Amino acid sequence: NAGVTQTPKFRVLKTGQSMTLLCAQDMNHEYMYWYRQDPGMGLRLIHYSVGEGTTAKGEVPDGYNVSRLKKQNFLLGLESAAPSQTSVYFCASSRPTFPFPYEQYFGPGTRLTVT
Amino acid sequence: ELKVEQNPLFLSMQEGKNYTIYCNYSTTSDRLYWYRQDPGKSLESLFVLLSNGAVKQEGRLMASLDTKARLSTLHITAAVHDLSATYFCAVYQSQGNLIFGKGTKLSVKP
Repeated sequence: NAGVTQTPKFRVLKTGQSMTLLCAQDMNHEYMYWYRQDPGMGLRLIHYSVGEGTTAKGEVPDGYNVSRLKKQNFLLGLESAAPSQTSVYFCASSRPTFPFPYEQYFGPGTRLTVT
Repeated sequence: ELKVEQNPLFLSMQEGKNYTIYCNYSTTSDRLYWYRQDPGKSLESLFVLLSNGAVKQEGRLMASLDTKARLSTLHITAAVHDLSATYFCAVYQSQGNLIFGKGTKLSVKP
């Protein structure tokens, strides 16, 4: 099992450009999440999904959109990148069942720089 | 609104010493998670605590949960250099969401 994978691992964008980050999981998890991690800020939730075809806003959703057309994939889009979106982005997935409900499994991260 | 506070945020330890990291949270929850992150890497699950009084141990790390005090502790016994990392606690909120603390950066020196 690959677990949670993210594509790409690194990306440099210019202000105003758009891009999509792809997250894939092979654990049949219902829940998926997108976080950003900035120095001293911990992890902040951008958007999440509780199942195929459903998405919801997290703590810092502005400037991002998401889609979950298939259960195993969760896409994060930046329509018009800004320097404030320079960050490391992590995708995670979880399931509600025991023995470890909602334990999140994380992808390797995408380091995004917006110049 | 659920808030999660960790302290200390930075911890420099000598090898062989013991220390405790604290995780306080502001509203009722009976599910708490501890993660480890090495520099430049992703987060790795360490412990899942699902009830009041839960205690889990793995090697030199032991985690406990007191839901009445809204407090979890991560105790480090006889620290070794390999434990140097950033440790995060996360508290279950709702709809599958966890609220993360800001992390404790641990540095173990010889």
